[in-house]
Amino acid sequence: GESVGLHLPTLSVQEGDNSIINCAYSNSASDYFIWYKQESGKGPQFIIDIRSNMDKRQGQRVTVLLNKTVKHLSLQIAATQPGDSAVYFCAETEGQAGTALIFGKGTTLSVSS
Amino acid sequence: GAVVSQHPSRVICKSGTSVKIECRSLDFQATTMFWYRQFPKQSLMLMATSNEGSKATYEQGVEKDKFLINHASLTLSTLTVTSAHPEDSSFYICSAIPLPRGLAGETQYFGPGTRLLVL
Repeated sequence: GESVGLHLPTLSVQEGDNSIINCAYSNSASDYFIWYKQESGKGPQFIIDIRSNMDKRQGQRVTVLLNKTVKHLSLQIAATQPGDSAVYFCAETEGQAGTALIFGKGTTLSVSS
Repeated sequence: GAVVSQHPSRVICKSGTSVKIECRSLDFQATTMFWYRQFPKQSLMLMATSNEGSKATYEQGVEKDKFLINHASLTLSTLTVTSAHPEDSSFYICSAIPLPRGLAGETQYFGPGTRLLVL
């Protein structure tokens, strides 16, 4: 079946650096995308979302970019902090088909101070 | 707002016993809740979609007779793992979409997860 995947399983950065986490999706019918942060032993925490009619959305210290041409999604974290260390998942869904999410494999972000 | 709780947070049981996990939306109502399973260092895999007042919809490969789902109210869904075996040991996570429903694809709010260990 179709799935969402992340390019790198791990990413290590220094505190204060900007982090970019990438995700490639394969379902061209997906129209809603979400980034989640998951800390060890906890449930996913919503970070930011974007609909397919947009190519960029900004939040506090985070930006999501969507490139529908190449089916690519990225999460940019500015001034990365040790508290940002976690596993990050992208997820997609087809609006018309329901709202069940398909999760990517996850990228583990490690921030060293 | 939009808090989802799960109970218990952790459970250890003997092989062959049944375990019930509760998922509650604390400050909102949800006609639809989802159950996911996550093995160590892996992603979340959708198990089933729980709809209030109707039968759950299970994903391919998920045994409905083994993973019983009951969505009795707009704030509670339960997952019962029947005759649990060691291979059922996993992290079970629920999520819910608040009412009122807007565009499809609204944000799901996740519970903190339940760690199940079957001995």
